Amino acid sequence: GENVEQHPSTLSVQEGDSAVIKCTYSDSASNYFPWYKQELGKGPQLIIDIRSNVGEKKDQRIAVTLNKTAKHFSLHITETQPEDSAVYFCAARSPYNTDKLIFGTGTRLQVFP
Amino acid sequence: EPEVTQTPSHQVTQMGQEVILRCVPISNHLYFYWYRQILGQKVEFLVSFYNNEISEKSEIFDDQFSVERPDGSNFTLKIRSTKLEDSAMYFCASSVASGRAGGELFFGEGSRLTVL
Repeated sequence: GENVEQHPSTLSVQEGDSAVIKCTYSDSASNYFPWYKQELGKGPQLIIDIRSNVGEKKDQRIAVTLNKTAKHFSLHITETQPEDSAVYFCAARSPYNTDKLIFGTGTRLQVFP
Repeated sequence: EPEVTQTPSHQVTQMGQEVILRCVPISNHLYFYWYRQILGQKVEFLVSFYNNEISEKSEIFDDQFSVERPDGSNFTLKIRSTKLEDSAMYFCASSVASGRAGGELFFGEGSRLTVL
């Protein structure tokens, strides 16, 4: 079945720097790739997603890129702020008769002022 | 902004006891899910539910688990006889469209279950 690997597990950056989190997936048929932000004590919150018919999507300081050939996708956060500090999860979903998202292991991002 | 709400936020129970976790999905959503996250591990799919039926379940979702939508608003997860390994954070989610149709999932804040 599908497997999603996520790196790094922790990431520390200075405020204003960029942060990049990378994920790889195993099922080449996967066509939906959301990113979730989880703050302490809260549930995962969808921050951006990308579908397999596009290579890049941007929303203000957040962007996601998808390389279908290499089966990897990345989250880019520019001009990081302390409130970006959280755990970020990538996920993937196959279109073949399944509802489930397969999650990565998460990246704890710390943005230092 | 509409949100998924879950109760209780934390429940402590003895091994072998029954537990019911409750969720109120976003009101116009038709598809409902339970996921769980064991401490330090991945978020894992348990079950999806639509039109008062289970659409899909994972291998984790064995006979000890059941889901129900007893009225027009609540969506519940029942664990009949809890085991130590059921200790986890349980997340409810809902979506307008089905997962397989590309529906975006909105998660609740989770219910932490501790089995002693």
